[in-house]
Amino acid sequence: EDQVTQSPEALRLQEGESSSLNCSYTVSGLRGLFWYRQDPGKGPEFLFTLYSAGEEKEKERLKATLTKKESFLHITAPKPEDSATYLCAVQARSGGYQKVTFGTGTKLQVIP
Amino acid sequence: KAGVTQTPRYLIKTRGQQVTLSCSPISGHRSVSWYQQTPGQGLQFLFEYFSETQRNKGNFPGRFSGRQFSNSRSEMNVSTLELGDSALYLCASSRTTTGELFFGEGSRLTVL
Repeated sequence: EDQVTQSPEALRLQEGESSSLNCSYTVSGLRGLFWYRQDPGKGPEFLFTLYSAGEEKEKERLKATLTKKESFLHITAPKPEDSATYLCAVQARSGGYQKVTFGTGTKLQVIP
Repeated sequence: KAGVTQTPRYLIKTRGQQVTLSCSPISGHRSVSWYQQTPGQGLQFLFEYFSETQRNKGNFPGRFSGRQFSNSRSEMNVSTLELGDSALYLCASSRTTTGELFFGEGSRLTVL
């Protein structure tokens, strides 16, 4: 069964203090790894898709990387508006279909 | 471009009742997926529809059902509600059955 584990569960950073969120996965037939951001009371918002080991994507203060077993979301010099829950998801083949499995997320709080 | 629209946003039901939730995907998106989100379990996959056909189903009891119409709009129904069904129900659309998901803001169901 596909598994996605995110760590830490919660992270508190001072504004400007860079850090990384981890997403480790166990799937057969990975088709893509996704990062989403979710604000309280809202649906997840798509950030990145990574398809193969070694791939990197960047957007403002966020950078996502992928290895064969895990992905990292690096946050450089975060601001309070980066506070949110960050979700990782993997898409894999499952019985002829594509199945998406989500991790439980990392809740990030950035303090001014 | 309009996003994914879910109605109603909030609803309160009592045990034993049934509920129907609605989702209008982004124009041109033919795939609609439904997820249940709870604090302890994270996002759990319910089912996916593409061109009016259910393509994949998660591990939920038969009380949870859904359908998709010819205009790609989708509904999900939960019958004989239980207290544990209280959750945020999220709908997501995508152009195909692979790739990033675009989520609505969810329907928050409270079962008393």
